[in-house]
Amino acid sequence: DQQVKQNSPSLSVQEGRISILNCDYTNSMFDYFLWYKKYPAEGPTFLISISSIKDKNEDGRFTVFLNKSAKHLSLHIVPSQPGDSAVYFCAARQTGANNLFFGTGTRLTVIP
Amino acid sequence: KAGVTQTPRYLIKTRGQQVTLSCSPISGHRSVSWYQQTPGQGLQFLFEYFSETQRNKGNFPGRFSGRQFSNSRSEMNVSTLELGDSALYLCASSAGRGGEKLFFGSGTQLSVL
Repeated sequence: DQQVKQNSPSLSVQEGRISILNCDYTNSMFDYFLWYKKYPAEGPTFLISISSIKDKNEDGRFTVFLNKSAKHLSLHIVPSQPGDSAVYFCAARQTGANNLFFGTGTRLTVIP
Repeated sequence: KAGVTQTPRYLIKTRGQQVTLSCSPISGHRSVSWYQQTPGQGLQFLFEYFSETQRNKGNFPGRFSGRQFSNSRSEMNVSTLELGDSALYLCASSAGRGGEKLFFGSGTQLSVL
């Protein structure tokens, strides 16, 4: 039972444009959400996170939005750069727990 | 600080064999978690160890086991390998206080023939 879902396996965007990656979750006990980026042959690296008490968190070109009522979060990358091409995983965690529930990932390709 | 180190990077085994994977966490981190990544399934949580004790466990059969040593290094063992065990096995470490972000190693790619 996939509690975190990324329904778009892939996304292609022109360099300089906005990339929007989406994620849905089913478990209302999740209170912390993270995005990880993964290049081939490397482990996932932390990108940005958001607590359930917020609806937006920004870090440079990356912004994560959380809509708790819809159980939906999104990652915006503006402007997109070719180096952003990677697989992006959405992850969620329950209060106090260390284990993460991951989505299946979205492969982002930024076209120069 | 050195990152999370996993060995070996690649492993080829045959059905029925067993395998042991190793993980050295970031210095000072006491929590080590293991995840399995397969195409189309994302990362699935296997188990977490903290101070040599298994603190949390995912939904995997008993063939998957682990342990943690006093220096926080961890090993994961899979017995009676099946073809479906072919996957990238990722180790992640954190300080272990709960609610922190995880730092991942590059993984061990296991192929079962």
